[in-house]
Amino acid sequence: EPEVTQTPSHQVTQMGQEVILRCVPISNHLYFYWYRQILGQKVEFLVSFYNNEISEKSEIFDDQFSVERPDGSNFTLKIRSTKLEDSAMYFCASSEYRNSLRYTFGSGTRLTVV
Amino acid sequence: KQEVTQIPAALSVPEGENLVLNCSFTDSAIYNLQWFRQDPGKGLTSLLLIQSSQREQTSGRLNASLDKSSGRSTLYIAASQPGDSATYLCAALDNYGQNFVFGPGTRLSVLP
Repeated sequence: EPEVTQTPSHQVTQMGQEVILRCVPISNHLYFYWYRQILGQKVEFLVSFYNNEISEKSEIFDDQFSVERPDGSNFTLKIRSTKLEDSAMYFCASSEYRNSLRYTFGSGTRLTVV
Repeated sequence: KQEVTQIPAALSVPEGENLVLNCSFTDSAIYNLQWFRQDPGKGLTSLLLIQSSQREQTSGRLNASLDKSSGRSTLYIAASQPGDSATYLCAALDNYGQNFVFGPGTRLSVLP
């Protein structure tokens, strides 16, 4: 069964530092997503990405966030200057196409900002 | 704006019981609804996906139903086992297929 791979599994960073979370989507998938889950809260949508551009983003996804597909396999989420409230589990997901039945989540990166 | 709620928030049952987890959504214009399992500190494991045109899906001891008109889905777990202990999340995918809206989850404990 193909998987979405996320690295690292856990990252600790100091407030104000930049972090890059990495994801390798399933190889034939065209749509990519980031979600986050603050401890004890709901999983929330951040952004979707298709054809090398953002197709939708939530109000959480402000100027501090950016996404990129730097090569044919990786999909990254960058947080420019981390805040304590950015501490959360970040999930990457991918789907073959929009409205796809195959929408697969990665196992997440736990980001801790200290 | 889609809102997804789940009741109960937590549930503790003895091993072997059948149980029902409930999910409600406010906007019936969904493309599909998916149930996930999340173990503490871990990722999301997809359990069942119900397309908007379907009424139910089954996988092993799990059965999920969908009633779009009433904005409800249920996850039925038969003959519960301690290994079923986890948080169960439901999530609705909107008709534009862009993003899931998640419920807060039901934390299930199955006692041996």
